[in-house]
Amino acid sequence: AQKITQTQPGMFVQEKEAVTLDCTYDTSDQSYGLFWYKQPSSGEMIFLIYQGSYDEQNATEGRYSLNFQKARKSANLVISASQLGDSAMYFCAMREGLPSGSNYKLTFGKGTLLTVNP
Amino acid sequence: DAGITQSPRHKVTETGTPVTLRCHQTENHRYMYWYRQDPGHGLRLIHYSYGVKDTDKGEVSDGYSVSRSKTEDFLLTLESATSSQTSVYFCAISAGTGDWETQYFGPGTRLLVL
Repeated sequence: AQKITQTQPGMFVQEKEAVTLDCTYDTSDQSYGLFWYKQPSSGEMIFLIYQGSYDEQNATEGRYSLNFQKARKSANLVISASQLGDSAMYFCAMREGLPSGSNYKLTFGKGTLLTVNP
Repeated sequence: DAGITQSPRHKVTETGTPVTLRCHQTENHRYMYWYRQDPGHGLRLIHYSYGVKDTDKGEVSDGYSVSRSKTEDFLLTLESATSSQTSVYFCAISAGTGDWETQYFGPGTRLLVL
């Protein structure tokens, strides 16, 4: 079974609107971390936001927020007030277990391609 | 910017030739990783290092070897390149402490094996 599932291969949103990118995960660990990365057409991987499994509040970073629903094992990325520069591939990733270097390996989903229309 | 560079940034090679990709970091991070990115697969871990001369295999390590003789450099070697190793290769480091430890990526290397 896939550990990270991103069910939306592509999404479209109008500029200035909000958009939610879905991510579900599968783990039996009690401690884990969830990450979102952005990959623009230029190819670099840009870290956006992090949510720890013990965090009670949803993570926020500027226009990015992570809608963390532990019971549903979902960690959706919400981008508010979309901008043209948000057009990119977005990857959800998971770290299982406590971060201790040697087991700090990320498992990635297959990504969602977001297109922001003017 | 986590001070990560990769070289070369682009490479075209022929099947059966050896290839070495270099990842260089300037901030003395202990942990370094090599991933490959292929369409429909996201990023998959090839090898990682948790210190000088300390390395371990990831999910897709067959056909690859790594070396880390000094903290700042992590080398990925394809001993005999195959067309299935055509991919984009990313190096990453982990930075931060405790639960806030996060991986940051280099710019990537595009490798084409003909």
